[in-house]
Amino acid sequence: QSALTQPASVSGSPGQSITISCTGTSSDVGGYNYVSWYQQHPGKAPKLMIYDVTNRPSGVSNRFSGSKSVNTASLTISGLQAEDEADYYCSSYTSSSTVFGGGTKLTVL
Amino acid sequence: QVQLVESGGGVVQPGRSLRLSCAASGFTFSRFAMHWVRQAPGEGLEWVAAIAFDGSNKNHADSVKGRFTISRDNSKNTVYLQMNSLRAEDTAVYYCARGEGWFSVWGQGTTVTVSS
Repeated sequence: QSALTQPASVSGSPGQSITISCTGTSSDVGGYNYVSWYQQHPGKAPKLMIYDVTNRPSGVSNRFSGSKSVNTASLTISGLQAEDEADYYCSSYTSSSTVFGGGTKLTVL
Repeated sequence: QVQLVESGGGVVQPGRSLRLSCAASGFTFSRFAMHWVRQAPGEGLEWVAAIAFDGSNKNHADSVKGRFTISRDNSKNTVYLQMNSLRAEDTAVYYCARGEGWFSVWGQGTTVTVSS
C-alpha cells in the first residue's frame, strides 16, 4: 500500500494551465481506470474533481481535466483562477484497498 | 440533501479505544460501499478502511489492521470505525466517504487526538 507519487508543489499565474502528475504502478494506476482527483482547501473536506481517470462530476468546471498513460495519471487545470489555489490529491483503486498520492500544493501567483 | 456526519472523536490516551460513527442521509445508504479516510495534522490523505454495501466484505489498511474494525448498520444508515490500541500516530481528522470506485460524498470529519 505505497502512496502514489505527486510533486509537492506546482504554481502558475492566473489564466495559465498547469498539470499535476500522479505516478503509481501496474497494481494501482496502471491496472485500473479508477483514478480520481480531489481538491482540498484548508480546513475543509476534500472535493471530488475527476473520477474514472477522465470524468468530471456535475458542477465541476470544465477547466479541470484528467488523463492517464501507463502508470501515470495527470490532472490539468486550464485558465487558472485564484480559487483554484488548494491541495490536490490523486487516488487509485487497487484489488483490496484504495491508495492516495502524497498531495500537491497548487499556488496561484 | 446528500450528507455524511461523523461523530465520536476526542482526546484519548495511548492504548485506549474509541468508536467513530458516520450517519448518512439523502441517499440509499444500503446501496453503497463506505470508507474511512484520515488526515494527520499537516499531512496528506490516508485510506483507512472500507466495507461493502451489505457488510459482506471489509478491508483495512496495513497501518490499522488488527486494531481498527469497520462495520455498518444499514437499518440506522450508519457506518462505524472501532479503534482499539490507539497510538500517537493515529492522531488525525477522520472522514467517512461514500465509495463508488471514487469518493463523491465526504463528511466534515471528526478529530481524534491520541495523547497522554
